[in-house]
Amino acid sequence: SQQGEEDPQALSIQEGENATMNCSYKTSINNLQWYRQNSGRGLVHLILIRSNEREKHSGRLRVTLDTSKKSSSLLITASRAADTASYFCAPNSNDYKLSFGAGTTVTVRA
Amino acid sequence: SQTIHQWPATLVQPVGSPLSLECTVEGTSNPNLYWYRQAAGRGLQLLFYSVGIGQISSEVPQNLSASRPQDRQFILSSKKLLLSDSGFYLCAWKGQNSPLHFGNGTRLTVT
Repeated sequence: SQQGEEDPQALSIQEGENATMNCSYKTSINNLQWYRQNSGRGLVHLILIRSNEREKHSGRLRVTLDTSKKSSSLLITASRAADTASYFCAPNSNDYKLSFGAGTTVTVRA
Repeated sequence: SQTIHQWPATLVQPVGSPLSLECTVEGTSNPNLYWYRQAAGRGLQLLFYSVGIGQISSEVPQNLSASRPQDRQFILSSKKLLLSDSGFYLCAWKGQNSPLHFGNGTRLTVT
């Protein structure tokens, strides 16, 4: 399995602003998944985008996928303090093993 | 609904002592089961995964072992802990065509 590489490593924004983070990967995928991890807790699945999809929305989350560039982005709109967490992408090639990079740590300031 | 239980939440063990971490899943059958380890400020390292009872795949040769004695039970063990075994251990399960579902983790400190 391949792991994604998230960028930036850390992001600090004001409450109400948007947060954008990117994920790059190396080989072809079936889908790409985004997860959130609050401090000291397990990861929580946010959204899955399939390789034939270009954009997907879930509430305040917007995910894009560009398979030609092997990259994805996660946008959180109108951020809240509760969005403070680490965010991980997981490019998925075989559906049963997922690997995770170091993530993007997002801090939302009140 | 499905739930995953992982315990203990925190553990402090001396070097050379044994380890047993347990994970159980409820509300699903024949899940894929996973053990990950996360070092401070780092990503997750896949340690073991299992697609069925008694079937264990090791991703990283090391001081740890895993067992799956029942369909929804996954155990991570060590006979003798090393300092380098410290970390945050996460159990997860996955059904067919579903994302990973994680437990709340065990913070292990080896002293």
